[in-house]
Amino acid sequence: SQQGEEDPQALSIQEGENATMNCSYKTSINNLQWYRQNSGRGLVHLILIRSNEREKHSGRLRVTLDTSKKSSSLLITASRAADTASYFCATDAGETSGSRLTFGEGTQLTVNP
Amino acid sequence: DVKVTQSSRYLVKRTGEKVFLECVQDMDHENMFWYRQDPGLGLRLIYFSYDVKMKEKGDIPEGYSVSREKKERFSLILESASTNQTSMYLCASSLNIANNEQFFGPGTRLTVL
Repeated sequence: SQQGEEDPQALSIQEGENATMNCSYKTSINNLQWYRQNSGRGLVHLILIRSNEREKHSGRLRVTLDTSKKSSSLLITASRAADTASYFCATDAGETSGSRLTFGEGTQLTVNP
Repeated sequence: DVKVTQSSRYLVKRTGEKVFLECVQDMDHENMFWYRQDPGLGLRLIYFSYDVKMKEKGDIPEGYSVSREKKERFSLILESASTNQTSMYLCASSLNIANNEQFFGPGTRLTVL
């Protein structure tokens, strides 16, 4: 079953604006990961945040994790048209899940030039 | 860089045909995964494998089987293709349980007529 749920389902912004996507999950996790998918292609790993971390940065990406609320957010700053893609969160439920991840349904981000 | 390749980008088959989808990774990863992706349903795990000759059912294994005879290769088999198996199929691999970020292939868009 899908654990991660992204919000919003779709987001349209202008180039230069920030984009924030949220992910909620239901069970305890070992880590949470964000992926990006360009149309018709495979997913690309963006960033991983472990359950004992609260915030992580990578370039223009900032991820936060609130395990008490079982939620995460992905912030893309100073967006570019090339950031247009679908973004997925994926949760690792730890030992009970082995190495498998559970993906949400994704947020479709459109950045208008 | 990890490279995951899939045997075909596009495939058209007829109902009842046996279909083989091949996936190869070149970084000695222990884990390999097969997903299908459908609009509105996100990524759903079909089967995964932790080691050679080992397989585990995912969330939607019905109508599929897999084979992992060599560490680098993970095959998905549709024994008798049906129209409801028309989908995008994504293969992924990850190093091991402790390092489980997944690397995806480009996907195979399968159409069953």
